[in-house]
Amino acid sequence: EAGVAQSPRYKIIEKRQSVAFWCNPISGHATLYWYQQILGQGPKLLIQFQNNGVVDDSQLPKDRFSAERLKGVDSTLKIQPAKLEDSAVYLCASSAGFEQFFGPGTRLTVL
Amino acid sequence: EDQVTQSPEALRLQEGESSSLNCSYTVSGLRGLFWYRQDPGKGPEFLFTLYSAGEEKEKERLKATLTKKESFLHITAPKPEDSATYLCAVQAYSNSGYALNFGKGTSLLVTP
Repeated sequence: EAGVAQSPRYKIIEKRQSVAFWCNPISGHATLYWYQQILGQGPKLLIQFQNNGVVDDSQLPKDRFSAERLKGVDSTLKIQPAKLEDSAVYLCASSAGFEQFFGPGTRLTVL
Repeated sequence: EDQVTQSPEALRLQEGESSSLNCSYTVSGLRGLFWYRQDPGKGPEFLFTLYSAGEEKEKERLKATLTKKESFLHITAPKPEDSATYLCAVQAYSNSGYALNFGKGTSLLVTP
């Protein structure tokens, strides 16, 4: 069974630029999550989708971050404009029940 | 507010030297407690889910236990390949979804 796919794996941008990340969940998983993991910390939830509807986006900085999940499968997370403090690994996870399975993440460096 | 605290932050063991990692939690209604392993440059890899106090689960050299206030991840006779960061996370009934609240992790190094 294929796991959660993410791209790109690495991205370096300058502050105030925009960036987008892509996630393809495990086939058949209705729930998709985006987490932010800052170096030395555990992952922190940004947004949760159930099919193509948002369940929880309470910790998403909506002035600069946006996410969508069209057709209830793939998802994109966008940051516009980026700040230095957005440097982190962005993890996508999917689940069919309680257990969540993570992708390899996208490491973002903002200069 | 839900809180998850892991200790120690870092642990260095000799190969074969057994030890335990601790995860203390405060949550309003625990739905589940999760253990993940994370290798450098990779996403967290699922290990165990525990749902109620007294529950135990084992996988190879790892054994996870749960009480009403904390969970332990016991590592028996570790090998260098067990070196990784171990993350603990809780899932609460109060969450609108199934979001996980993670601790900062314990970085484990096992030397030959």
